[in-house]
Amino acid sequence: AQTVTQSQPEMSVQEAETVTLSCTYDTSESDYYLFWYKQPPSRQMILVIRQEAYKQQNATENRFSVNFQKAAKSFSLKISDSQLGDAAMYFCAYRSAEGGSNYKLTFGKGTLLTVNP
Amino acid sequence: AAGVIQSPRHLIKEKRETATLKCYPIPRHDTVYWYQQGPGQDPQFLISFYEKMQSDKGSIPDRFSAQQFSDYHSELNMSSLELGDSALYFCASSLTTGVGWSNQPQHFGDGTRLSIL
Repeated sequence: AQTVTQSQPEMSVQEAETVTLSCTYDTSESDYYLFWYKQPPSRQMILVIRQEAYKQQNATENRFSVNFQKAAKSFSLKISDSQLGDAAMYFCAYRSAEGGSNYKLTFGKGTLLTVNP
Repeated sequence: AAGVIQSPRHLIKEKRETATLKCYPIPRHDTVYWYQQGPGQDPQFLISFYEKMQSDKGSIPDRFSAQQFSDYHSELNMSSLELGDSALYFCASSLTTGVGWSNQPQHFGDGTRLSIL
């Protein structure tokens, strides 16, 4: 079974600064996807960014980028120019992409990000 | 764009009562997932349906059952409710067939907050 570990229960960053959230995972599969979801106080689950395991290029979405290290099974999220609206719980998630597999998401425990003005 | 619709948004029940949660997936999505998120926890996968057939089962209690109907909406039925069932229940949908399916993320509804008194 796959596991996802987020070792930072809480992080804080100053507005306009950069912060990196860590995520490691364990899997025996070679084909999979990794995601970062944001959950603000409204409790919605909002997709921030995704990475396909077979792609070496790191995904980017505006101020959000990832550092995907497949061999190390590491998938960190970098938020640049942090804004007050970035304050939320961030979940790292894994999904298999192999044929015949189930496609449920396996989540880490989350990192609560605080943005200080 | 149409999103995943969940109803009701909030539900208050007493112990040993029953509850039914509804989910309307994004049109043309063929897979529906249910997750349970306890207070301060990460979402846990309960059950999924692909084309109206159960496709995977997670840590869903025997007191819970779910189905997907011909119009693709899904219902999660919960009986003999316990205090520990108090949680946020998410439904998500995705496309898991067709060209480029593997690149499609799961889209989450806003959740149903179930409180057991």
